[in-house]
Amino acid sequence: DTEVTQTPKHLVMGMTNKKSLKCEQHMGHRAMYWYKQKAKKPPELMFVYSYEKLSINESVPSRFSPECPNSSLLNLHLHALQPEDSALYLCASSQGYSGANVLTFGAGSRLTVL
Amino acid sequence: AQSVAQPEDQVNVAEGNPLTVKCTYSVSGNPYLFWYVQYPNRGLQFLLKYITGDNLVKGSYGFEAEFNKSQTSFHLKKPSALVSDSALYFCAVRAYTNAGKSTFGDGTTLTVKP
Repeated sequence: DTEVTQTPKHLVMGMTNKKSLKCEQHMGHRAMYWYKQKAKKPPELMFVYSYEKLSINESVPSRFSPECPNSSLLNLHLHALQPEDSALYLCASSQGYSGANVLTFGAGSRLTVL
Repeated sequence: AQSVAQPEDQVNVAEGNPLTVKCTYSVSGNPYLFWYVQYPNRGLQFLLKYITGDNLVKGSYGFEAEFNKSQTSFHLKKPSALVSDSALYFCAVRAYTNAGKSTFGDGTTLTVKP
């Protein structure tokens, strides 16, 4: 299995809703990432987990809450989002944490906040 | 700090002609350089990387890139473009000392016309 699977593919939520994005990989990768991408723009790093511990938080607002229950799963909990949070949310994984590692991306979850 | 510049927002080539997508970078120390491609409504896919060694790197789908340390460049090339190569291309850099953080260029949209 060489894929990163993200669910749901599409999500529409109101500003008062609570929802979660899920990411799963079975490649034995020990680093997992959340990125946010606006249309025709580069991905922006949000969070990095290494060996199931949060290593990097790029000053993301607390309405985004990451969780890494085990080495194969990564969740992003969403609460009280704003319309400007509408974007494609990409999960990625890499074998290790060092700079030489290639990122394997999922297809993304497209979030619309009304 | 690390940064990547992709000076062209758009590159247009005719099918069968060679293509070049430009990338320059700035990083402290030795760079790890990557090219990723993104098709519409998809995540990023890895094409090739430079870590060390031979300056000419060959990757997926017939793409190659040349690392030029003196010009701090890592241009993506392909001898004969296909219509199916039309996509958004991102160059990325990770510093040896900045593990976990990839910096992406703004992206170049490649359009190959039949």
